[in-house]
Amino acid sequence: NAGVTQTPKFQVLKTGQSMTLQCAQDMNHNSMYWYRQDPGMGLRLIYYSASEGTTDKGEVPNGYNVSRLNKREFSLRLESAAPSQTSVYFCASSEVAGSYGYTFGSGTRLTVV
Amino acid sequence: AQSVAQPEDQVNVAEGNPLTVKCTYSVSGNPYLFWYVQYPNRGLQFLLKYITGDNLVKGSYGFEAEFNKSQTSFHLKKPSALVSDSALYFCAVRGIYGNKLVFGAGTILRVKS
Repeated sequence: NAGVTQTPKFQVLKTGQSMTLQCAQDMNHNSMYWYRQDPGMGLRLIYYSASEGTTDKGEVPNGYNVSRLNKREFSLRLESAAPSQTSVYFCASSEVAGSYGYTFGSGTRLTVV
Repeated sequence: AQSVAQPEDQVNVAEGNPLTVKCTYSVSGNPYLFWYVQYPNRGLQFLLKYITGDNLVKGSYGFEAEFNKSQTSFHLKKPSALVSDSALYFCAVRGIYGNKLVFGAGTILRVKS
């Protein structure tokens, strides 16, 4: 089925470890996004990529890096995980702008101990 | 800057009664407005959107939303609530010149039988 695929679904890291969250979409969307979801805070934008070859910081970029590998794939990397990065991470994609909403992946639940 | 406020952390309603989940927004120019629903341990699912035209927008699962420009509101409504409507609901806004959605903090809807 068409959509946004995130891997892994669950991950436990020790403080200081690194990892990469993967995201791929097969809808030929130009824009992709990484959000984190924390209780009572809704979804906060970490990074986004308006089109292939571009990336920009969102609201909470510190401690993260991203790579827009190609039009389909947008990865999020934690270089040195911290307990404050315990969260649920969602990837989404959309057309570039205008009246289109987002299509979301099913999320990655990350715990940093 | 864009912003969304969902003033109620939780809304409780009896099955069969009408429900309203409130949302107000702030954006430069005309807004594109969205409602998403999140069931436990799942990603966000699109419910409905307002782009232009009729102020009453109909969406999935019998939900509708009313756009009120003077009050900058976009409240989600359903005439008769179901227990299965219990979930976390997010309102989101983007400006016509931007490609980033800004989300509210979310409102938990609990429908009791």
